[in-house]
Amino acid sequence: QKEVEQDPGPLSVPEGAIVSLNCTYSNSAFQYFMWYRQYSRKGPELLMYTYSSGNKEDGRFTAQVDKSSKYISLFIRDSQPSDSATYLCAMSEETSGSRLTFGEGTQLTVNP
Amino acid sequence: DAGVTQSPTHLIKTRGQQVTLRCSPISGHKSVSWYQQVLGQGPQFIFQYYEKEERGRGNFPDRFSARQFPNYSSELNVNALLLGDSALYLCASSSSGTGLQKLLFGSGTQLSVL
Repeated sequence: QKEVEQDPGPLSVPEGAIVSLNCTYSNSAFQYFMWYRQYSRKGPELLMYTYSSGNKEDGRFTAQVDKSSKYISLFIRDSQPSDSATYLCAMSEETSGSRLTFGEGTQLTVNP
Repeated sequence: DAGVTQSPTHLIKTRGQQVTLRCSPISGHKSVSWYQQVLGQGPQFIFQYYEKEERGRGNFPDRFSARQFPNYSSELNVNALLLGDSALYLCASSSSGTGLQKLLFGSGTQLSVL
């Protein structure tokens, strides 16, 4: 069983829709939770990060972490065609340095 | 400021050959990490180097090795290439070696093994 599970999609939504992306994990030692966005033929770009449980909002993006359920989410409001990309969740333990464990990514397409 | 730079961008090798990939971190960043991303999968951690010392190693065979130079640039070496080594190899840099790692990734080196 993978430490981090993420539905690969693909997910296709109309412009302006609210998008919900999710990951589940099994390692209770994970403390840092991140979302990366990856465009085709590019490296991942850090979007959001949170420490332990709670919510964090940044513009149209909201990240949620529920450690009791081992479940994290990323919400995108008023989605735009430029949001079309692969979204990767990533997690790490307190002392694991840059050893991030990634989900396999969800491919999102926002249609004009 | 320049981002994380990787070279070459593309590489084609045959089975059994050896390859060296290069990475220059963002100026001021002392930590460099290497990831392998197979098509359709998320990146997998290979190595972290901080201040020229290995700080972590993922579940990869000894055919994979790396080093970091005094200017904090890094090389990833892969010996005895296998078809399964075909992947996008990503380098990431960060300013610290511990705690929350806000990794900044390069665009990667696409390695094809024939």
